[in-house]
Amino acid sequence: TAGITQAPTSQILAAGRSMTLRCTQDMRHNAMYWYRQDLGLGLRLIHYSNTAGTTGKGEVPDGYSVSRANTDDFPLTLASAVPSQTSVYFCASSDSNQGEADTQYFGPGTRLTVL
Amino acid sequence: GQNIDQPTEMTATEGAIVQINCTYQTSGFNGLFWYQQHAGEAPTFLSYNVLDGLEEKGRFSSFLSRSKGYSYLLLKELQMKDSASYLCASMDSNYQLIWGAGTKLIIKP
Repeated sequence: TAGITQAPTSQILAAGRSMTLRCTQDMRHNAMYWYRQDLGLGLRLIHYSNTAGTTGKGEVPDGYSVSRANTDDFPLTLASAVPSQTSVYFCASSDSNQGEADTQYFGPGTRLTVL
Repeated sequence: GQNIDQPTEMTATEGAIVQINCTYQTSGFNGLFWYQQHAGEAPTFLSYNVLDGLEEKGRFSSFLSRSKGYSYLLLKELQMKDSASYLCASMDSNYQLIWGAGTKLIIKP
């Protein structure tokens, strides 16, 4: 199985432009997550979704929005990109229900550069 | 506040044993995860501890002490392919993962 796929693999974006990072999972997991990973820092949670139709804010949500129209897809949108959003973005999913601890599985990541 | 501390970098020799330490302080605790991340790749799950003690899985073992807010990952019989970053993450009371910055492990022949 493919697991989790992300697109694009990498992107260079002009500041002020909008962009949507795509994430799709085929494991029928309930929960999905978006993280950013920056050098010297741990993974930081941007937004999450415990189940289709619901979303929540993580540690660093400003400048990002998400939607969860169905179980499989969890796109992340940057409405007006700024250079500080240059990062590697990872999507993850887990088979947990709310209030459960379960392993998160990660997609291959999207490397985004905002100039 | 919430905080995860682990060494930035460690060096070890092929065939040897290395222990990577992690201390955590989170709002509530629902377990401690270790992930491996090779350069340019996604993190992959290694282990999960929620009870005190040692969990062994082949060459890798993970230990947890909840009273001390402490965990370690033990890698035995090191191989060159073990060169990677090792990420410690604590699951807080909201079942969200709080991540350390990772320990870059360099294996020398």
